[in-house]
Amino acid sequence: NAGVMQNPRHLVRRRGQEARLRCSPMKGHSHVYWYRQLPEEGLKFMVYLQKENIIDESGMPKERFSAEFPKEGPSILRIQQVVRGDSAAYFCASSPLHYTEAFFGQGTRLTVV
Amino acid sequence: TQLLEQSPQFLSIQEGENLTVYCNSSSVFSSLQWYRQEPGEGPVLLVTVVTGGEVKKLKRLTFQFGDARKDSSLHITAAQPGDTGLYLCAGQGAQGGSEKLVFGKGTKLTVNP
Repeated sequence: NAGVMQNPRHLVRRRGQEARLRCSPMKGHSHVYWYRQLPEEGLKFMVYLQKENIIDESGMPKERFSAEFPKEGPSILRIQQVVRGDSAAYFCASSPLHYTEAFFGQGTRLTVV
Repeated sequence: TQLLEQSPQFLSIQEGENLTVYCNSSSVFSSLQWYRQEPGEGPVLLVTVVTGGEVKKLKRLTFQFGDARKDSSLHITAAQPGDTGLYLCAGQGAQGGSEKLVFGKGTKLTVNP
């Protein structure tokens, strides 16, 4: 999973600020997935993207959260006006084909103070 | 409602013991994956099982997919402290659902030297 790069590894934001989490998939992978993990919990699906397209956003909160995967550059998960409840580890995974085996990055740990 | 139930939630054993952890669901999956996650890291894919009744071995780890493709088990022989971690199962292609990967909450294994 070292091939999927996420940054930053740790992010601290004050309530009301914006958080931007970046994910560069493994070389040759055009499918990206974002997951959220709370302490002692499994991973909750948020969104699935291909280049320039959102395929499945059924796990994304309706407000303040957005994701993109532009033609050039990393995938971005954006959280506007963060609240304490947004504190979690956010993981990105990539796969070469539609919903085949996914490889995860090391995650971004967001702390909202 | 959790689609995938993992048991036990916590397991603490001594080095050299054998153990089995379970992943159960009422849904049929097209495939099921097992991951191991260490603190502060992303999940690392261990195995994917696809065929009902399939058994896969990875050194001291044995994975089985139930005949009906609703459940799976992971058996570890002669556990070592290096096996300590959170073991997550994830199902894909749940019957009647989308193809996104759905995770259980995990089994937290501690192997004491």
